[in-house]
Amino acid sequence: NAGVTQTPKFRVLKTGQSMTLLCAQDMNHEYMYWYRQDPGMGLRLIHYSVGEGTTAKGEVPDGYNVSRLKKQNFLLGLESAAPSQTSVYFCASSRSGEVYNEQFFGPGTRLTVL
Amino acid sequence: GQNIDQPTEMTATEGAIVQINCTYQTSGFNGLFWYQQHAGEAPTFLSYNVLDGLEEKGRFSSFLSRSKGYSYLLLKELQMKDSASYLCAVGDSNYQLIWGAGTKLIIKP
Repeated sequence: NAGVTQTPKFRVLKTGQSMTLLCAQDMNHEYMYWYRQDPGMGLRLIHYSVGEGTTAKGEVPDGYNVSRLKKQNFLLGLESAAPSQTSVYFCASSRSGEVYNEQFFGPGTRLTVL
Repeated sequence: GQNIDQPTEMTATEGAIVQINCTYQTSGFNGLFWYQQHAGEAPTFLSYNVLDGLEEKGRFSSFLSRSKGYSYLLLKELQMKDSASYLCAVGDSNYQLIWGAGTKLIIKP
């Protein structure tokens, strides 16, 4: 099993460009999450999904959109990238969102916006 | 507001014991997690506490006091590979994880 995979691993964008980050999991997990991690700060939840076809906003959703058309995939889109979106993006999945919802993380995408 | 505090950085010696503290104030409590994150890598799960007391797993132990909003991670017989950041996270009333900024642990020979 590959667990949680993310593509791409690295990306450099210019301000105003758009891109999509892809997350895939093969553990048949219901819940999926997108976080960003910035120096000196904890992981911050951008959006999450509790099942196929559903999405919800997290703590810092502005400037991002998501889709979960298939249970195993969770896409994060940046429509018009800004330098403030330079960060490391982690996708995670869990069996459910309730008690003991251990989250499994992908390797991360390092995004730089110039 | 919701807040999780951990020391920014700690240094310890190979073979020694180190305790990493975490204090929290969150809206609701649905368990406390510790994750390990090596530089440039993804966080990986270490432990989970939902009841007060000590949970031991090999060289790592985690303690929780819900009344004090306090947890610690205890690492024994430190090895160089334990050099990493240790993240404390609390499940809130919505079952979302609120994350601390992490404690960078430096192990010296």
